[in-house]
Amino acid sequence: EPEVTQTPSHQVTQMGQEVILRCVPISNHLYFYWYRQILGQKVEFLVSFYNNEISEKSEIFDDQFSVERPDGSNFTLKIRSTKLEDSAMYFCASSESLAGAGGTQYFGPGTRLTVL
Amino acid sequence: AQSVTQLGSHVSVSEGALVLLRCNYSSSVPPYLFWYVQYPNQGLQLLLKYTSAATLVKGINGFEAEFKKSETSFHLTKPSAHMSDAAEYFCAVIAAAGNKLTFGGGTRVLVKP
Repeated sequence: EPEVTQTPSHQVTQMGQEVILRCVPISNHLYFYWYRQILGQKVEFLVSFYNNEISEKSEIFDDQFSVERPDGSNFTLKIRSTKLEDSAMYFCASSESLAGAGGTQYFGPGTRLTVL
Repeated sequence: AQSVTQLGSHVSVSEGALVLLRCNYSSSVPPYLFWYVQYPNQGLQLLLKYTSAATLVKGINGFEAEFKKSETSFHLTKPSAHMSDAAEYFCAVIAAAGNKLTFGGGTRVLVKP
């Protein structure tokens, strides 16, 4: 069964460093997402991406964050200068169609980011 | 704006007993509703979803949920708990034509032998 994959599973970085989290969505999917979960808190939406551009972003997704689909298979989340409060589990998801039109978002296993 | 409330961050059930996980939502437009499950060290897996068809939705692993508009609820049930049901369960809502999921806080289920 097709699945969303994410690498690395765990990333440790120093405050102020740049990190890139990588995701390979399901191959025929058109919509891509990033969510995060800070320990003990809710899973929060960060950004959605369709047709090579951001379709929606949350207030969390400020100028320190960017997303890219550099080729036909990968979808990346970059944090330019990490802060302690960026420590969280980051989930990538993809869907074939809009979730609000009945599509299902399929999630990857997550990347745990620890900022020291 | 949408929100989701899951009553009880932890639920303990005996093997073979009923599992009932509560979810209430608020949405200004007709919602689509989802239950996801997260097993240890794994991603979020879809259990079931409501997309304005039948109000009683059957999902994987024997779970089902009923959409009750009058109560703004979408509670998840399973008649008989199995040890393998130990996991964290998340209720989520999305507005029709929307594209971002809004999650509840999650309920961790412990199954006792």
